Amino acid sequence: KAGVTQTPRYLIKTRGQQVTLSCSPISGHRSVSWYQQTPGQGLQFLFEYFSETQRNKGNFPGRFSGRQFSNSRSEMNVSTLELGDSALYLCASSLVGRGAFFGQGTRLTVV
Amino acid sequence: GESVGLHLPTLSVQEGDNSIINCAYSNSASDYFIWYKQESGKGPQFIIDIRSNMDKRQGQRVTVLLNKTVKHLSLQIAATQPGDSAVYFCAEEGGNEKLTFGTGTRLTIIP
Repeated sequence: KAGVTQTPRYLIKTRGQQVTLSCSPISGHRSVSWYQQTPGQGLQFLFEYFSETQRNKGNFPGRFSGRQFSNSRSEMNVSTLELGDSALYLCASSLVGRGAFFGQGTRLTVV
Repeated sequence: GESVGLHLPTLSVQEGDNSIINCAYSNSASDYFIWYKQESGKGPQFIIDIRSNMDKRQGQRVTVLLNKTVKHLSLQIAATQPGDSAVYFCAEEGGNEKLTFGTGTRLTIIP
């Protein structure tokens, strides 16, 4: 069974631009969560989607948004990029209550 | 200003010895806990989980212990190998699919 797939693996963007990251969960998993990982803040929860609905949201500004499609694939978008948005963005999928499995992440660098 | 990185606790263990990684969690309502291993450049890898109705769970070479009284979690790795070198995170979940991660411990296996 294929794992969680995130694309792209690496991105370089300029301040002020926007970016869209993609995540394909493990087949059968309907919950998709997004996390930001930085050396300064560790792993921080962004949001979680289940059946195309956002169920949980972390403490990030409105520039961070996401969505989930009917096939459970998810995208997250960051608008008006700032230098501090440089991070590893991780997607995790789960069967409800059975643990989250992570993808390899997208390394975003904002210059 | 200068950003301050998280100070990761470190643990160095001789190859073949056992290691114990500790974690204090914050939410007494958390009922599900997971240990993850993260190698450089990769996403967190699920190692073992435990529910709050248990105090011990064993996997292959790994054991997780849960002490709800003092909100403490530990991961024991038996007969450590060079491939065990990584950062280990504990995560807690309060029933809403949102994981809250600890800061992590860097484990180094000395050949």
